Amino acid sequence: ELKVEQNPLFLSMQEGKNYTIYCNYSTTSDRLYWYRQDPGKSLESLFVLLSNGAVKQEGRLMASLDTKARLSTLHITAAVHDLSATYFCAVDSRSGGSNYKLTFGKGTLLTVNP
Amino acid sequence: DTEVTQTPKHLVMGMTNKKSLKCEQHMGHRAMYWYKQKAKKPPELMFVYSYEKLSINESVPSRFSPECPNSSLLNLHLHALQPEDSALYLCASSQSSTGAYEQYFGPGTRLTVT
Repeated sequence: ELKVEQNPLFLSMQEGKNYTIYCNYSTTSDRLYWYRQDPGKSLESLFVLLSNGAVKQEGRLMASLDTKARLSTLHITAAVHDLSATYFCAVDSRSGGSNYKLTFGKGTLLTVNP
Repeated sequence: DTEVTQTPKHLVMGMTNKKSLKCEQHMGHRAMYWYKQKAKKPPELMFVYSYEKLSINESVPSRFSPECPNSSLLNLHLHALQPEDSALYLCASSQSSTGAYEQYFGPGTRLTVT
């Protein structure tokens, strides 16, 4: 059974600082996703990472994927308060037969303080 | 149009009520999903429909009954729910479930069972 582990689960940062969230998964995967979720809201897709060495950047967030190490990172540069949210990584993998399903990490609750 | 819509946004129901959640997409996707998300937890997959047929049931209690009337619509019929079923219910769709395709999430229905 696929396991997806995120760390840290809680992250309190000061504005202007940098930090990285890690996502490890246990078996071969076809795709890895990063989502943002604000309280009471749905999931917002941030990045889709398809292949080994993939790196994507949007604003202050940058995501990378190392399929050999089964590791993805979400790097935050010069954090601002608006980045406060819960961040989930999710791995797409075959689930018996020909169906695929997403397995989510537990999420990282990010709080950016002034 | 990359939108998945869900109605209602909020629902309060008693344990003896029968209600339904509705999800709709017009992206031509052939796979649709129901997820349940409790507070401060990741989404948990409940059901997957592929080409209007149920392909994954994650051992969900029978008080939840999914229905896929056509390729654009997905319903979740609720009957005799328990207070612990209170959660955010998310619908998603993707091009197919037999491959690693990105899922697009709706805004969710916040369900409270009293």
